[in-house]
Amino acid sequence: QVQLVQSGAEVKKPGSSVKVSCKASGGTFRTYGVSWVRQAPGQGFEWMGGVNPLFGTPTYSQKFQGRVSITTDGSASTAFVEVSSLTSEDTGVYYCALAFENYYDPWGQGTLVTVSS
Amino acid sequence: DIQLTQSPSFLSASVGDRVTITCRASQGISNYLAWYQQKPGKAPKLLIYLASTLRSGVPSRFSGSGSGTEFTLTISTLQPEDFATYFCQQLNDYLPITFGQGTRLDIK
Repeated sequence: QVQLVQSGAEVKKPGSSVKVSCKASGGTFRTYGVSWVRQAPGQGFEWMGGVNPLFGTPTYSQKFQGRVSITTDGSASTAFVEVSSLTSEDTGVYYCALAFENYYDPWGQGTLVTVSS
Repeated sequence: DIQLTQSPSFLSASVGDRVTITCRASQGISNYLAWYQQKPGKAPKLLIYLASTLRSGVPSRFSGSGSGTEFTLTISTLQPEDFATYFCQQLNDYLPITFGQGTRLDIK
């Protein structure tokens, strides 16, 4: 069974960038899709984007288009999300998830990103 | 974007109770709806997908129903470990993927 382990918490200054990783054990992202979801403090979940292995190229939410990049490493065992031009509104917990056609399962443990001057 | 509205936002219940949570979509999504459980500080866990298919390993006291725009998650007999936040997700063809705002289930 695939497990996803994410990188640790980050504190960033406004205007900077952050890159969060998500390592898969027991499988690769060549077989399964990966999506990234953000949960702001006290808020619901926002889908940021994902990669479908059938197509290979990432798809992004319009809200994050141009500011977010989702990639995988050469072995396709680690996925990354990079968010640029950070503001305080980007503070939140970032989750990766194995994205099947009809559900996300499992999810990574989450990575807290705090944007503060 | 497809909006998902959950009701209620907060629910107080006792062990042994039967509870139902509703998720309404702003437009029809067939049965492309999933339900998740999240406990504080933990990652969400899949309970149900395609509106009514129980994920392997999830207790049978959880059930889902609905299609189109109205969906329900029912817990038949609440157990102590069921007190958590529940949220729905639509995975229709139309992007973006969206989520309900969540229903927090507390012990009465």
